[in-house]
Amino acid sequence: GNSVTQMEGPVTLSEEAFLTINCTYTATGYPSLFWYVQYPGEGLQLLLKATKADDKGSNKGFEATYRKETTSFHLEKGSVQVSDSAVYFCALLGGGNKLTFGTGTQLKVEL
Amino acid sequence: DGGITQSPKYLFRKEGQNVTLSCEQNLNHDAMYWYRQDPGQGLRLIYYSQIVNDFQKGDIAEGYSVSREKKESFPLTVTSAQKNPTAFYLCASSRRGKEQETQYFGPGTRLLVL
Repeated sequence: GNSVTQMEGPVTLSEEAFLTINCTYTATGYPSLFWYVQYPGEGLQLLLKATKADDKGSNKGFEATYRKETTSFHLEKGSVQVSDSAVYFCALLGGGNKLTFGTGTQLKVEL
Repeated sequence: DGGITQSPKYLFRKEGQNVTLSCEQNLNHDAMYWYRQDPGQGLRLIYYSQIVNDFQKGDIAEGYSVSREKKESFPLTVTSAQKNPTAFYLCASSRRGKEQETQYFGPGTRLLVL
């Protein structure tokens, strides 16, 4: 079956540091890939997505590239802010429009 | 504003009681979903509905029931058969088409057992 593996957190960074959160997946076919962000006590917000190999999703300074050869979709941001502190979920959309999520990575950004 | 609303924000359940969580969307989406989130874990699919008057079990449907009488609404009932209901419940919706469609989430309901 489909699965998503994310790096464990928490990830603690200083403001303006470079961020990478690793995500790899196992799936049949050609799934769409997503990053969602969850702020404390809230639901999930779509951060970015990519629907085919070599696509790059981007939003609010975050980027991720769909790498079919390495089955990866790593999230990156060049300069994080305190307001980026949240939990980040990598997910893939497989057959039947079913989302499979990773376990989430908590990011803490300090001044 | 278009979006997904869930109510209540917090819900308390007594032993042996059934409770119903509300989910409404005004995005004109055909498909709706219910997920459960436990601390430190990803989301797990409880039930989903691709169209009115039709729904399917997800990965953890035992102890839950749903209905889909209207396109806008997809309520979830947590029955007394669900022995560990304490969790954060998230509703989502998406368009229904030939290609994979992005799911959008509501703000969630936190269910606690008294």
